[in-house]
Amino acid sequence: GAVVSQHPSRVICKSGTSVKIECRSLDFQATTMFWYRQFPKKSLMLMATSNEGSKATYEQGVEKDKFLINHASLTLSTLTVTSAHPEDSSFYICSASGQTPVVNEQFFGPGTRLTVL
Amino acid sequence: SQQGEEDPQALSIQEGENATMNCSYKTSINNLQWYRQNSGRGLVHLILIRSNEREKHSGRLRVTLDTSKKSSSLLITASRAADTASYFCATARAGGTSYGKLTFGQGTILTVHP
Repeated sequence: GAVVSQHPSRVICKSGTSVKIECRSLDFQATTMFWYRQFPKKSLMLMATSNEGSKATYEQGVEKDKFLINHASLTLSTLTVTSAHPEDSSFYICSASGQTPVVNEQFFGPGTRLTVL
Repeated sequence: SQQGEEDPQALSIQEGENATMNCSYKTSINNLQWYRQNSGRGLVHLILIRSNEREKHSGRLRVTLDTSKKSSSLLITASRAADTASYFCATARAGGTSYGKLTFGQGTILTVHP
């Protein structure tokens, strides 16, 4: 099956700092990666969609200057939470899709828990 | 916005019983998928049913889809304590700029008591 990894799995940072989260597709080329946010006991909310080599498309209400997304290669996308504040504390999950193994099916990473003090 | 609504929000059953979770959605879809999430972990893909399918089985899982009612159900038969998790439905919209995007339901928290 398709494997997607995220790094780090858990990060704690001070308010005002920036945090970078990596999402990698390990055994397939991901033409599209998605970033989700999940609050405790809540559902996943799509934040943005990124296509390799182009700018990310953000969902309504998501600040693109706050959540910087880069999809520089077919196996890596990064989400940078800039000037993090306690309200940015959340579980961030990425997913990746491509032409293989199943066209356009999303494969999810294990998530990154961000805690901003 | 989250278009998927799931019920019940929480379900508590004994091991061996069946668990049924329902999902409703609002727009035309390409397919509907069910995922499981253990506490604090990532999503595990369970099953995908396409808009032209009505029922699908995978092991102890049975999924139905009624596009006229815009609803789906997930049945887990002979539940086990290890099935304890949150279950989410997710719809992939048909066509347009939303192609490929998934919209998740609110989820059902299933607890299976040994």
